[in-house]
Amino acid sequence: GAVVSQHPSWVICKSGTSVKIECRSLDFQATTMFWYRQFPKQSLMLMATSNEGSKATYEQGVEKDKFLINHASLTLSTLTVTSAHPEDSSFYICSAGSGTGTNQPQHFGDGTRLSIL
Amino acid sequence: DAKTTQPNSMESNEEEPVHLPCNHSTISGTDYIHWYRQLPSQGPEYVIHGLTSNVNNRMASLAIAEDRKSSTLILHRATLRDAAVYYCILRKAGSQGNLIFGKGTKLSVKP
Repeated sequence: GAVVSQHPSWVICKSGTSVKIECRSLDFQATTMFWYRQFPKQSLMLMATSNEGSKATYEQGVEKDKFLINHASLTLSTLTVTSAHPEDSSFYICSAGSGTGTNQPQHFGDGTRLSIL
Repeated sequence: DAKTTQPNSMESNEEEPVHLPCNHSTISGTDYIHWYRQLPSQGPEYVIHGLTSNVNNRMASLAIAEDRKSSTLILHRATLRDAAVYYCILRKAGSQGNLIFGKGTKLSVKP
C-alpha cells in the first residue's frame, strides 16, 4: 500500500537551532501534503498545506517565517523549524493522499518528535 | 464542517469484539464517514470509510445507521496491538483536503 516516510523520527537539539523534517511519498506522487502538530494528550492540529511548486498555505496562528515549508517535487515536502525554542517541542506529522478518486485515504508519516532544550 | 462525537475512552478485553460508537447528527448527504487510528508515538493510519452501506475490510467493519446520524466501528477480535486512539472523521465526497481530527476514543485492551 501507499507509504509516507518521515525523517528523522526524533530530534533533540539546543534552543536556537533550526531543524528540517522531511516527508516523502514512497510509491505515489503527491501534489499536496499536509503538516500537523500534536502536543501531549491532544489531537492533531493542521499547521499548513504544502503545495508542489507553489507557496504553502498556513493555518491561522502558525508563523510562516518560523515554519518554512518547501515542496519542490511531487514526492518530497520539507518542514524547517527555524530558531526553535522549547515551546516548539512537539510531535510533527505529515500526510499525503495517494489518488484523486473519491475519498482516497490520507497516508501519514510516523511523525517526528522534536525536543528543544 | 459537520462534527462528530465520540466517547473519550473505552476498555476491552483481548480477543473480544469492540464496538466504538460515533455520533454525527449534522452529517450531510455528501459526507463520507472515515475512521483512522493512532497507535502510541505513531502517525494516524487509515482504518475504513463508508457512505451509507456497511463496510468490511481486513482491519474492521463499519456499521452505519440508516439515518446516517451515527456509526460504529467494529473490531471483531481485539488484540493488544489495537490499543490506540480511534478517530471518526467526516469528509466531503471527492475531498482531497486535510482531515480534521477531534479528540477521538482512546481504546485500552486488557490481556
